[in-house]
Amino acid sequence: AQSVTQLDSHVSVSEGTPVLLRCNYSSSYSPSLFWYVQHPNKGLQLLLKYTSAATLVKGINGFEAEFKKSETSFHLTKPSAHMSDAAEYFCVVSDIGNQFYFGTGTSLTVIP
Amino acid sequence: DGGITQSPKYLFRKEGQNVTLSCEQNLNHDAMYWYRQDPGQGLRLIYYSQIVNDFQKGDIAEGYSVSREKKESFPLTVTSAQKNPTAFYLCASSPTWGARYNEQFFGPGTRLTVL
Repeated sequence: AQSVTQLDSHVSVSEGTPVLLRCNYSSSYSPSLFWYVQHPNKGLQLLLKYTSAATLVKGINGFEAEFKKSETSFHLTKPSAHMSDAAEYFCVVSDIGNQFYFGTGTSLTVIP
Repeated sequence: DGGITQSPKYLFRKEGQNVTLSCEQNLNHDAMYWYRQDPGQGLRLIYYSQIVNDFQKGDIAEGYSVSREKKESFPLTVTSAQKNPTAFYLCASSPTWGARYNEQFFGPGTRLTVL
């Protein structure tokens, strides 16, 4: 069975400091993993995805994530937070049929 | 521009009424999905369609119905049988069903409020 756990429901950082959003997954297969961002009352936008080509995945807007099979983790990071990064972030695992399983989300607040 | 459109953006319904949410895509994608989002929860799958003229129930299909008569359209009807329909509804699509690393593309959502 596939599932995702986002370890923090809320994260607050100061502008210009690093961002870390944590995600652990459970999958019966070698997983497909994604991070999406959602701004208030908007749809979801893909930040990055893991496709097994490389364990360190670079995405849009300076975000990246590292796939660690031994830890079953796919944490999202950014070296320096910007005010525009304030949003809800979802970690997603996909099964062999391409059905998506969403985490409950992490709300990121950026303090000026 | 290619993408997914959902209408209306906001929808108000009286108890006991059926309402239909529109979802259209011009990405030429085979697969389409409907999700429900509630505060503090992830997205939950209502229905999905692998290809035109086919659809399957997701995890929370009770009180909802769909059709997929055209490749580009996947409307969702929220019936009076849905006990708690107030939520944010998101439509998504992906190029094909079952392709392992396919991302899903999301529409802007419809916020449904039952009065």
